[in-house]
Amino acid sequence: EDQVTQSPEALRLQEGESSSLNCSYTVSGLRGLFWYRQDPGKGPEFLFTLYSAGEEKEKERLKATLTKKESFLHITAPKPEDSATYLCAVQAQGSQGNLIFGKGTKLSVKP
Amino acid sequence: NAGVTQTPKFRVLKTGQSMTLLCAQDMNHEYMYWYRQDPGMGLRLIHYSVGEGTTAKGEVPDGYNVSRLKKQNFLLGLESAAPSQTSVYFCASSDRGRTDTQYFGPGTRLTVL
Repeated sequence: EDQVTQSPEALRLQEGESSSLNCSYTVSGLRGLFWYRQDPGKGPEFLFTLYSAGEEKEKERLKATLTKKESFLHITAPKPEDSATYLCAVQAQGSQGNLIFGKGTKLSVKP
Repeated sequence: NAGVTQTPKFRVLKTGQSMTLLCAQDMNHEYMYWYRQDPGMGLRLIHYSVGEGTTAKGEVPDGYNVSRLKKQNFLLGLESAAPSQTSVYFCASSDRGRTDTQYFGPGTRLTVL
C-alpha cells in the first residue's frame, strides 16, 4: 500500500534556527514527490516537485531533497512568516495523477 | 487569472439535506480533483476527472457524486448529507503531461448538523 509519513507532527523554532522536516514514503514506483505549504484557512500552495533520487530544489529559505525512501525540507534561518503546515505528497507511476498526502508538519517560528 | 475557485466558502447543512459544491479553473487543465481534509487525517481523494465528461472514484467516494460537463468546472454533490461529511473540501486541477502539479482552490468548510 502506498503511504506517506511526515515527522515531526509539530515543530517550534526560534527565528534564525535552521531545521529539517522529514517525509518518508513507500510507493509502487515514484512518479513525483510534492511539497506544499498550507496556511490556516487556506488551500495548499505548491512549493516543489522532485522526480528522482538525488534531486534538489530551492526557493528562498527552503530546500527540498529526495532519496529513494524519503524527502527532507530544509529551512534555513526561518522567519515568523515561514510558520505554516507543510504537506508532503507522492504520485505513483501509472496513477491518474492522484496524490497521496502525509498528515503534515505544523511549523511555528517565534521571533 | 483566478486559478482555482470554489463556491461556496462556508455552508451549514442539516442531516439529510443535499447540496452541490462548485469548482472552476481558468488554466485550461485537463485533470480535476476533489479532496476532503479532516483533522489528523490529511487530505484524502474523493473523486477525480481526467477530462470533460469523465469521472472516477478516489479513496473515499461513498456518499458523494461528481460531474464534469464542462472542462473548466467540476461539481461535487452530496445527495443526503451526514454528520460524517463535516469537513473542509478542496478542489484541485493539473495539466497532466507537463508538470503534473496540482493547484488547489481556497476550500469550502462544510458543517452537517
